[in-house]
Amino acid sequence: QKEVEQDPGPLSVPEGAIVSLNCTYSNSAFQYFMWYRQYSRKGPELLMYTYSSGNKEDGRFTAQVDKSSKYISLFIRDSQPSDSATYLCAANTNAGKSTFGDGTTLTVKP
Amino acid sequence: SQTIHQWPATLVQPVGSPLSLECTVEGTSNPNLYWYRQAAGRGLQLLFYSVGIGQISSEVPQNLSASRPQDRQFILSSKKLLLSDSGFYLCALKSGTDSPLHFGNGTRLTVT
Repeated sequence: QKEVEQDPGPLSVPEGAIVSLNCTYSNSAFQYFMWYRQYSRKGPELLMYTYSSGNKEDGRFTAQVDKSSKYISLFIRDSQPSDSATYLCAANTNAGKSTFGDGTTLTVKP
Repeated sequence: SQTIHQWPATLVQPVGSPLSLECTVEGTSNPNLYWYRQAAGRGLQLLFYSVGIGQISSEVPQNLSASRPQDRQFILSSKKLLLSDSGFYLCALKSGTDSPLHFGNGTRLTVT
């Protein structure tokens, strides 16, 4: 079993929709949680970085961590065609080791 | 701000040929540096990481090696490429244990 499992998708939504991207993890040592956006043929770009349970908002993006259920989510409000990309969730231990999900490909249709 | 330079962006090499991919970073000192490989439609596989000059840790035994000759330079090499070495190679840095990874824009390697 992978330590970080991500909904595989692909996900296709109309422009303006609310998008929910989800991951679960199994390692209780994970303390830091990240979401990356990766456009085709580019490296992953850090979107959100959170520590511990709760919500963190940045513009149209909200990252949510629920440590009790080992569940992490990324919500995108008012989705745009430019949001079309692969989204990767990741988790770090205190020792700094990063573990990634396999990514969810999102398409936002105009 | 931190910047990661990787080159070349795309590379096509025959089986059995050598490989050298270079990564240089700016805007930070003494970073932890990483090489990842991403196969098509797959997640990120950690290949090597380095916490300092000359210090290399290998995560996966394979046909590849890494070196860190300078604080801000990280090199991925192979003496003889295999078809299975094809993939998207990403260099990444972390400026502290608690900080997230930041990635370069990668090199897409096709071994023919």
